[in-house]
Amino acid sequence: EADIYQTPRYLVIGTGKKITLECSQTMGHDKMYWYQQDPGMELHLIHYSYGVNSTEKGDLSSESTVSRIRTEHFPLTLESARPSHTSQYLCASSDQRGLADYNEQFFGPGTRLTVL
Amino acid sequence: KNQVEQSPQSLIILEGKNCTLQCNYTVSPFSNLRWYKQDTGRGPVSLTIMTFSENTKSNGRYTATLDADTKQSSLHITASQLSDSASYICVVSDRGSTLGRLYFGRGTQLTVWP
Repeated sequence: EADIYQTPRYLVIGTGKKITLECSQTMGHDKMYWYQQDPGMELHLIHYSYGVNSTEKGDLSSESTVSRIRTEHFPLTLESARPSHTSQYLCASSDQRGLADYNEQFFGPGTRLTVL
Repeated sequence: KNQVEQSPQSLIILEGKNCTLQCNYTVSPFSNLRWYKQDTGRGPVSLTIMTFSENTKSNGRYTATLDADTKQSSLHITASQLSDSASYICVVSDRGSTLGRLYFGRGTQLTVWP
């Protein structure tokens, strides 16, 4: 089982609140990712990072922001949550060492966010 | 446009039966194809991974096949168990970016009944 953690697992908050979803991994992976997933739908990449001080926007536009100050930590922040942000947020990490073709991503358990 | 299509969308089978899930993709240039299992409320967990040169890969009761010419893959589950109830997601990686971009299918929701 991969050593990648997300907190909180579930979060219910009111509109307008600022929230931070935590993600940490102990595998020393350089690359980290944030995905958004709605029920019955595919995962959509919203942010990724190649390493410390590197952050990029993903395929799906998101009002959230991320930071990568330490290799093991990749938090996601919403400055003002809205009901449209209700979704599951999955964090993942990967290590490009070894066979580049494989580049397997290991996923955390996810945070289920509900904005009322 | 790079896409991954899975069928069926959902499937119900009885415990002990076999089933096969399908995946068609248009991702190019192709790097590898993975099948993930995602339990409700959890993150996906990798079951198998196949590169262009591999046409079959097994992991216990799970056997994946890949036909890179027709861009099709299948996941066969043998002697299903109640714990197999989950969403099975086909994920294709392209070779064209250093990120190793992944393209996700919507998954097949499998329910195993006793």
